[in-house]
Amino acid sequence: QSALTQPASVSGSPGQSITISCTGTSSDVGSYNLVSWYQQHPGKAPKLMIYEGSKRPSGVSNRFSGSKSGNTASLTISGLQAEDEADYYCCSYAGSSPVVFGGGTKLTVL
Amino acid sequence: EVQLVESGGGLVQPGGSLRLSCAASGFTFSSYWMHWVRQAPGKGLVWVSRINSDGSSTSYADSVKGRFTISRDNAKNTLYLQMNSLRAEDTAVYYCARYYDILTGYRDWGQGTLVTVSS
Repeated sequence: QSALTQPASVSGSPGQSITISCTGTSSDVGSYNLVSWYQQHPGKAPKLMIYEGSKRPSGVSNRFSGSKSGNTASLTISGLQAEDEADYYCCSYAGSSPVVFGGGTKLTVL
Repeated sequence: EVQLVESGGGLVQPGGSLRLSCAASGFTFSSYWMHWVRQAPGKGLVWVSRINSDGSSTSYADSVKGRFTISRDNAKNTLYLQMNSLRAEDTAVYYCARYYDILTGYRDWGQGTLVTVSS
């Protein structure tokens, strides 16, 4: 199972919005609306930010939103804040594999 | 509060073995599938292995198949990863994670334990 494709880095200024894409195939992202997104600060464990494509766990800011079109899922962060600077990973259910992660995207808040 | 605490990492020579443990608390451990995910230094997250709730079914990434064995002791609320024939490319932080369900994914993660394979 190949890793999902994410941009290596994105950046934005405080208050702006950014979108991170996550491209898979018809065997993972395209077949299931089961993409989750994780935020990871340096030296810390990942944290679940979005599940089932667009749902937020309790406690996660509504500035974070998820969507999907075809084989590509997206994470949008609106009203960027300094604490959003982190690495972000998408993850898709992939049947028998059973999950596949994206390569990760480093978000820089300028 | 859910807690997952990994232990057992360290420095091991190529070809050596190591057993990781993950002590779980704050939830009914025996009800959940558990996974190991690793992260090589400066790299991304990679799925390693998973085990179902009663330990009767396991699955592995191709890169570790035949060398790693996942297991669990529900009486002790502990997840294990036995790693044999270790290679330099197995060097990583190993996280245990609670797979909440197919819809949610990994709701909870441990803090990770570092495994370094080097001579």
